[in-house]
Amino acid sequence: GAGVSQTPSNKVTEKGKYVELRCDPISGHTALYWYRQSLGQGPEFLIYFQGTGAADDSGLPNDRFFAVRPEGSVSTLKIQRTERGDSAVYLCASSLKVLSVSGGAYNEQFFGPGTRLTVL
Amino acid sequence: GQQVMQIPQYQHVQEGEDFTTYCNSSTTLSNIQWYKQRPGGHPVFLIQLVKSGEVKKQKRLTFQFGEAKKNSSLHITATQTTDVGTYFCAGNTGGFKTIFGAGTRLFVKA
Repeated sequence: GAGVSQTPSNKVTEKGKYVELRCDPISGHTALYWYRQSLGQGPEFLIYFQGTGAADDSGLPNDRFFAVRPEGSVSTLKIQRTERGDSAVYLCASSLKVLSVSGGAYNEQFFGPGTRLTVL
Repeated sequence: GQQVMQIPQYQHVQEGEDFTTYCNSSTTLSNIQWYKQRPGGHPVFLIQLVKSGEVKKQKRLTFQFGEAKKNSSLHITATQTTDVGTYFCAGNTGGFKTIFGAGTRLFVKA
C-alpha cells in the first residue's frame, strides 16, 4: 500500500516569502505529526494532530508557523515570512493509533520522505 | 526543557563487531521508540518499549528499557554493512510530544 507522501520534495524560496508544505498520511491513520530535521540532528517535534484537531502544537517555534488538517487526512504546514533559519527538512509522520495523554499507547510512526526547504 | 541525550554521536566498526548506542532522558519516559535512518532517507520505526526493564530482540538487535524508564540501549551483534545508518531513540514523557535524540551514526567497514 501507499506510504506517507509529502510535496514538494524540494522547495527553494526567498527570505520573507510564504510557503506551504503538504503531507498525505497513510489512509486510515488518525494521528499525524510534523517534525523538522536539521543536518546531523534528530527530528524536532512541531505539532501533533488527532483527527482534525491539533492536540499538541507546543513545538511550533513561533507564530509564523501554522498547520491545518481540515478533514482529518491531508495536512498542510504553513510558514509565513520565511527566514534563513527555517531551512531544514520538514518531515511528516502518521500513526494508526492515537496517543493517550500518558503516552503509553503503541506509537509506531510512519515517516514520509520529507520536504527539503531552503530559504535564500 | 525535556531532553533525550544519545551517545556516542558516531561509531566506526569493522564488519562483524558489535555496536551499542545509549539513550538517556532527563525525565521519566512513558515509552521509548527506536528508529533507523539510512543516509538520504527518512526515519524507519524499529521498535517501541513501554515497560520498566523491558528487553526485546529482533534478530541481531537487542533493545532495553531501563528500570527507571529514563534510559535505553540498542545493541547490534555482529554488524553487517546493511546496518549502516543513524539510529535514533525517541520518547514520550507523559504527553503527545515525541522527543528524539540526536542519533548515533554507525559506519561499518567491510
